[in-house]
Amino acid sequence: EAGVTQFPSHSVIEKGQTVTLRCDPISGHDNLYWYRRVMGKEIKFLLHFVKESKQDESGMPNNRFLAERTGGTYSTLKVQPAELEDSGVYFCASSRDRGDTQYFGPGTRLTVL
Amino acid sequence: QKEVEQDPGPLSVPEGAIVSLNCTYSNSAFQYFMWYRQYSRKGPELLMYTYSSGNKEDGRFTAQVDKSSKYISLFIRDSQPSDSATYLCAMSDWVTGGGNKLTFGTGTQLKVEL
Repeated sequence: EAGVTQFPSHSVIEKGQTVTLRCDPISGHDNLYWYRRVMGKEIKFLLHFVKESKQDESGMPNNRFLAERTGGTYSTLKVQPAELEDSGVYFCASSRDRGDTQYFGPGTRLTVL
Repeated sequence: QKEVEQDPGPLSVPEGAIVSLNCTYSNSAFQYFMWYRQYSRKGPELLMYTYSSGNKEDGRFTAQVDKSSKYISLFIRDSQPSDSATYLCAMSDWVTGGGNKLTFGTGTQLKVEL
């Protein structure tokens, strides 16, 4: 069974540009989560999808971040415009049911210059 | 104050040593406690999952939860160089988080030396 995959593995952009991160969850997992780790800090929750619906987006930092999961399969996280403080590692995780084990992807390392 | 406190280390031990990793937390609503292991440039991987106070053992790993003290521990027996990684504690509550929103510690970097 393939794990959670994320693309790209690393992205370097300039302040003010737009970046889109993609996450493909494990097949059959209705629940998809985005987390972020900025330098020196803990991994923090961003949001949670159940199928295509946003269940909890309490961790989204501001309206420069837009997450979508059209069709309830893969998800994208767009940052527009990117700021320096957005640099970090963005993790995606998925689980079959609510409260089940969350399986994490390898992360996308975002560097904003 | 952070909801979950974890000493970042680094912690260096000789092969075969018993390792003790710990986290404290402030939110009494946390009911689910997890330990994740993360190798460099990889995503976190679930090691242990506990719900109630007490001990849970899985091979060389033992997870311990003391809800009265808001303190959790992970013990690794007979540590191996392959155990070298960052260990993250994570917690969630069912009421506000629906068991889904994980709150992490900063992680402890462990190195097991030959």
